[in-house]
Amino acid sequence: DAGITQSPRHKVTETGTPVTLRCHQTENHRYMYWYRQDPGHGLRLIHYSYGVKDTDKGEVSDGYSVSRSKTEDFLLTLESATSSQTSVYFCAIMTGGSYGYTFGSGTRLTVV
Amino acid sequence: GENVEQHPSTLSVQEGDSAVIKCTYSDSASNYFPWYKQELGKGPQLIIDIRSNVGEKKDQRIAVTLNKTAKHFSLHITETQPEDSAVYFCGAAIQGAQKLVFGQGTRLTINP
Repeated sequence: DAGITQSPRHKVTETGTPVTLRCHQTENHRYMYWYRQDPGHGLRLIHYSYGVKDTDKGEVSDGYSVSRSKTEDFLLTLESATSSQTSVYFCAIMTGGSYGYTFGSGTRLTVV
Repeated sequence: GENVEQHPSTLSVQEGDSAVIKCTYSDSASNYFPWYKQELGKGPQLIIDIRSNVGEKKDQRIAVTLNKTAKHFSLHITETQPEDSAVYFCGAAIQGAQKLVFGQGTRLTINP
């Protein structure tokens, strides 16, 4: 999608290892979000950011941390990956003031 | 916090027929209700949204209706086409909260 990229697109990691997912935007939007998508649960908010160094928890934040040291980058870290964190992770930015989100293409993470 | 329930989880319709997906929300303070379409391997994309001061909104073959009293809103797709096959998510946002809560998703299949 225009202005937002996620990396990596796919990752397989072992239980207990740390993992960092990156979200990069080119449009200088203030609000950025991390969601996870799982069958039967839809999209659930993990963490979000409302500015550099300003972050807050979502509904499924346990086991995840985030950092935003620059406006354009929002990092999601799994400190010690577990099999329950196998999921598709989406980053989103709020465009303008309308609550409309633009989503990235997602990162498929498999924890074995 | 806000909770959004979406039904049905799967929906199959014949090409040319209409499709309806329904969502209910729990928090009467919610005032923004978007619908997103997710095609295979991609991130969700906003297709239509409605605010609480409007009862209905149309955009070509898609429309959204909102009943604030009952706290439910629906997506209507008329004259369905094969390219309408996708997963659809509804969302709700509380004014000032700057974050969306999503429903569980509906997988819509259009049969030729």
